[in-house]
Amino acid sequence: DVKVTQSSRYLVKRTGEKVFLECVQDMDHENMFWYRQDPGLGLRLIYFSYDVKMKEKGDIPEGYSVSREKKERFSLILESASTNQTSMYLCASREGLWGTGELFFGEGSRLTVL
Amino acid sequence: ELKVEQNPLFLSMQEGKNYTIYCNYSTTSDRLYWYRQDPGKSLESLFVLLSNGAVKQEGRLMASLDTKARLSTLHITAAVHDLSATYFCAGYTGRRALTFGSGTRLQVQP
Repeated sequence: DVKVTQSSRYLVKRTGEKVFLECVQDMDHENMFWYRQDPGLGLRLIYFSYDVKMKEKGDIPEGYSVSREKKERFSLILESASTNQTSMYLCASREGLWGTGELFFGEGSRLTVL
Repeated sequence: ELKVEQNPLFLSMQEGKNYTIYCNYSTTSDRLYWYRQDPGKSLESLFVLLSNGAVKQEGRLMASLDTKARLSTLHITAAVHDLSATYFCAGYTGRRALTFGSGTRLQVQP
């Protein structure tokens, strides 16, 4: 079974702090994704990566950056956290484009910014 | 850009009843995905529909895809309480990332 692991399930940070959310997958998937989920707004794509050191902006990249130095790991960085970044963050991975296209999600990281 | 619309957004039904959730999408797509989310949990893949006319069944849930109508349905047969969850459909945009519908929150009452 594919396993996508997000390092922190719950985090509480203060405004202005730098926040790292880490995601690791164990299936040698090429593609990885970060979404945020908010009530009434559904899932929105922040960034995705289709290869090591490659990234592409999603629908709401402002205030976020990402890092993919190794194939299995995809990090989401909030350089200076703000209260409007309080949300559930979901990481997902997928094999290359020639597969089924199914995304496999981690358990999620619930971030509260005070 | 792909837009995905689900309806209804909220569905309260009694155990034993049947119902269908609809997923319409705006541009041509030959693939459609269904996910389930329990409260406070992440998304779990339910069905992957890869071609026009595809039909998949798992227990009391059956999903189908009509690419010409740009419509997918998730049919619930003889609902049970364990099916209470939020169900999402999703399809691909040109950017190679899934776009999700708003979700249908299903509540099955005893």
